Amino acid sequence: SAVISQKPSRDICQRGTSLTIQCQVDSQVTMMFWYRQQPGQSLTLIATANQGSEATYESGFVIDKFPISRPNLTFSTLTVSNMSPEDSSIYLCSVANGGSYIEAFFGQGTRLTVV
Amino acid sequence: QKEVEQDPGPLSVPEGAIVSLNCTYSNSAFQYFMWYRQYSRKGPELLMYTYSSGNKEDGRFTAQVDKSSKYISLFIRDSQPSDSATYLCAMREPEGAQKLVFGQGTRLTINP
Repeated sequence: SAVISQKPSRDICQRGTSLTIQCQVDSQVTMMFWYRQQPGQSLTLIATANQGSEATYESGFVIDKFPISRPNLTFSTLTVSNMSPEDSSIYLCSVANGGSYIEAFFGQGTRLTVV
Repeated sequence: QKEVEQDPGPLSVPEGAIVSLNCTYSNSAFQYFMWYRQYSRKGPELLMYTYSSGNKEDGRFTAQVDKSSKYISLFIRDSQPSDSATYLCAMREPEGAQKLVFGQGTRLTINP
């Protein structure tokens, strides 16, 4: 199993600012995933981050709004840029178990409130 | 129409009851069906998964998949207060497609 640490666990931010969320994994993984979980909604995949290449974004999410870094096989960051209250959500980092993304491991999430 | 539909609840039952949680889906290409459990302020953790149709049992938990009806279920027998959590179904297309599609999650409370 993989142990994932996310920082910060929560934050309250002013609209128009940016927040960078860090995800640290205790083992090397090829693919890392960033999800958003809005109140009462399902987990929605934002993007997939592979080390050494550009992140792949899902429909409705763009790099300018959610830039992602993946400098090595154990670390990734997601930035939420130019925030508005609609960005208030829980953001989760996830990794796959081995080569098949069935058992996904998740961090504890970052609870973001934009005021 | 969402790809995966799940009744968000909340669902509240007495301890010892049998709980039934369900999801429907529209994408016939889904082959892997998973149930995740999420405690408050924690990330989801995998409970069990099933490939294609059929049943799978793990202790007090049974997962069922009916691909003809595009319907999956999770049954919890002899429910315990520690089972109180949000349960999310998730699905995936076959090999090579790494994207998980989640249901909304059902918030379950088991009352002592």
